[in-house]
Amino acid sequence: AQTVTQSQPEMSVQEAETVTLSCTYDTSESDYYLFWYKQPPSRQMILVIRQEAYKQQNATENRFSVNFQKAAKSFSLKISDSQLGDAAMYFCAYMGGGGATNKLIFGTGTLLAVQP
Amino acid sequence: NAGVMQNPRHLVRRRGQEARLRCSPMKGHSHVYWYRQLPEEGLKFMVYLQKENIIDESGMPKERFSAEFPKEGPSILRIQQVVRGDSAAYFCASSPVNAGASKLGFFGSGTQLSVL
Repeated sequence: AQTVTQSQPEMSVQEAETVTLSCTYDTSESDYYLFWYKQPPSRQMILVIRQEAYKQQNATENRFSVNFQKAAKSFSLKISDSQLGDAAMYFCAYMGGGGATNKLIFGTGTLLAVQP
Repeated sequence: NAGVMQNPRHLVRRRGQEARLRCSPMKGHSHVYWYRQLPEEGLKFMVYLQKENIIDESGMPKERFSAEFPKEGPSILRIQQVVRGDSAAYFCASSPVNAGASKLGFFGSGTQLSVL
């Protein structure tokens, strides 16, 4: 069975600085997708960034980028120029590519605090 | 274009009562996923439905929980005879037909169920 592990329950970063959130996963599949979701206090789940496993290039969305290390099964999220609005819970998620369900498997989350 | 709509946002039930949670997918989406988020945990997949059809209910508890997505109207997650352990946030996500990972990411704001 696939698993997703986020080993940092909490992280803190100064405004305008850079922070990296860690995520590792375990799978025997070769075709899959990885995601980072943001959950602010409003509880809304917001997709931050996605990565297809077959793509070697790391995904980037504005200030958000990932470091995808397929062999190491690692998928970290880097947030550059951190802003107060980035404070939230961040979840890493996995989805297998070959199944019919498209269900997501989530990690336990990292709570990010941004200090002014 | 409204997103995924869930109601109610908060639901309070006493032990033994029934809870009914509703999810209206995004316009044009015919697939619905339900997830549960227990306190201090990530989201866990419960069930995947298409219109009038349950595709994958591998994450649903065997008893007291049921889900439906009728031809007309919202998807309903029903919990009978609720217990305190059912207290959680329940999220719904939707996707179009034959959606791959590129179509994922559309979550509702969740229903917070509190069992007294």
